[in-house]
Amino acid sequence: NAGVTQTPKFRILKIGQSMTLQCTQDMNHNYMYWYRQDPGMGLKLIYYSVGAGITDKGEVPNGYNVSRSTTEDFPLRLELAAPSQTSVYFCASGKLAFFGQGTRLTVV
Amino acid sequence: QKEVEQDPGPLSVPEGAIVSLNCTYSNSAFQYFMWYRQYSRKGPELLMYTYSSGNKEDGRFTAQVDKSSKYISLFIRDSQPSDSATYLCAMSSNAGGTSYGKLTFGQGTILTVHP
Repeated sequence: NAGVTQTPKFRILKIGQSMTLQCTQDMNHNYMYWYRQDPGMGLKLIYYSVGAGITDKGEVPNGYNVSRSTTEDFPLRLELAAPSQTSVYFCASGKLAFFGQGTRLTVV
Repeated sequence: QKEVEQDPGPLSVPEGAIVSLNCTYSNSAFQYFMWYRQYSRKGPELLMYTYSSGNKEDGRFTAQVDKSSKYISLFIRDSQPSDSATYLCAMSSNAGGTSYGKLTFGQGTILTVHP
């Protein structure tokens, strides 16, 4: 049972580049989330989804986009990367939030 | 004022000590209260969760919720070096609609248990 799988684990982007962070869960959860975690700042909700085809903004959605075409997948898209998006990104699923292992993103 | 406040510490205790970790909150709609443990460079893992007020015990861990004071606690008995991690509290409401299940996290408390 893989749980929540995030890819890639690490990435370095140049300013202005785009990328997609992948998230897949095999627990048939309707709820899925994307958080970012900055040092000493806790977890900030970027976007969440309550089921396929339904997404909503969290606290810090600017600069990001999401889609939810299937129950299993919830990719996070970064357009025009900025240094302020340097962070660790966590995907989670389920009402009690089972987390993936994170993606460390650096924008230079 | 943040919806959830948590003392970031750091907290350093000797092995065998009782550890008390706390969070306060301002949103009276919160009904679900969770504690997560996060080891360095790993994702948070759910440790305990409680619905509404009361206590819940699981081995060396006890979670307490006092809704009248808007205060939750996690106690760790007989603390071990392997308990060294960041502990995050989280809460969600039962408001229905798309807000149901959305978690609000505290900043996290860094705990070190030294031998």
